[in-house]
This record gives sequence, structure tokens and C-alpha cells, in this order.
Amino acid sequence: DAGVIQSPRHEVTEMGQEVTLRCKPISGHDYLFWYRQTMMRGLELLIYFNNNVPIDDSGMPEDRFSAKMPNASFSTLKIQPSEPRDSAVYFCASSTGGANYGYTFGSGTRLTVV
Amino acid sequence: AQSVTQLDSQVPVFEEAPVELRCNYSSSVSVYLFWYVQYPNQGLQLLLKYLSGSTLVKGINGFEAEFNKSQTSFHLRKPSVHISDTAEYFCAVSEVGSQGNLIFGKGTKLSVKP
Repeated sequence: DAGVIQSPRHEVTEMGQEVTLRCKPISGHDYLFWYRQTMMRGLELLIYFNNNVPIDDSGMPEDRFSAKMPNASFSTLKIQPSEPRDSAVYFCASSTGGANYGYTFGSGTRLTVV
Repeated sequence: AQSVTQLDSQVPVFEEAPVELRCNYSSSVSVYLFWYVQYPNQGLQLLLKYLSGSTLVKGINGFEAEFNKSQTSFHLRKPSVHISDTAEYFCAVSEVGSQGNLIFGKGTKLSVKP
């Protein structure tokens, strides 16, 4: 298996633009997680899905952030409009059975909003 | 609510020396505990996990950790480190029975010098 695949690896965008981050989980994994990593706040859970259904989105910073999982092999995280404070590394992770079994992380998307 | 404290943000050590990275957690219920490693520009990889049973857990790359319930600690150890162990290490906790939320510490940067 190729692991969790995220795209793009790097994204530089101007403030106010829409940004879409993509994730392909490991085949057969029924949980998908989106995390954000910054120097100040560390790793924060934004949202997670189970069987394509959003379970907990309490970590999503505000309405500018949205996430979807239209099928078991694809998820997106969208920021509209983007702001400089959204600059971070965004990780997608997948798991079978949830957090207790450990996650497999993607390589992340480094987002820079200028 | 759970929380994780990694007491050292940076740990410099010479090659072939032993190392201990400290982790303490707080939770009102039983927990599962994890250590992840992040190499530069990569996602996090699972090093080891404690779910139940023996309190001494062995992981990949010669690392081990010991769960101490009375001290609410889960310190990571390696008897002899290599240059290639230079990375950031994250301790994480999830509540038993919780499917979704893995809470991460702020990380400890291990720097192995020749």
C-alpha cells in the first residue's frame, strides 16, 4: 500500500483565496483524521470521519474551514477565504478502529498564506 | 479532559549515549498511550503503544517505554542512540473506549551529535 497520500505537498496562496487540501487514506481504513501543526499550538485535531461521516468537527477553527469525505478513498479540507494565520502544516491520518489502534499519517501539506 | 505534557522541548545527546524523553499525562479515566516520531518534512510514524498488559513496551528502532500509572508517566528510552534518531518525538494519549481523539504533546526535539 502507498500509505496515506496528501496533495499538494506545498501550497502558497494569497490572503483571501480559497485553498483545498486533499487526502487519500489507506484502503480499508474506516477512520480519517485532519490535524494542523504549528509551532505555537502543536498538533491539533480539526475533524475526524468514521465511514465517511463527520463525527467530531469541534476542532475546526471557524466557518472558513470545511471538510468533506464523499467516499472511502478521498477527503478534502477547504479554507475559504484563507488568512495568514492559517499558515501551518496540515496532516491527514487514517486508521482502522480509531485512535486506539494508532494512526498512519500522510506526509502533510505545508500551507503558506501571504 | 485529557492532556499530555512533554517536559523537555529539546534534548541534545551524543551518539551512543542513552536517552530518556519524558511524558506525563492527565486523565480522569483509563488511557491508551503512544509515542510517535517525526523526521524532518515527514508525517508522524508510530513508534510504540501501550494498550494493556505489561507496562514495559518495546517499539521499533530499539526504543522502549514504560507505563507508570501511579506517576501518570510514559517515558521513552533508548540505551544507545544513533545520528539517525535525530527527530521530533511526540507522546499521545487517548481515552479507553474513545474512537476519535488522540491528544498529542508539544513534542521533544532529539538532537544526536557525533
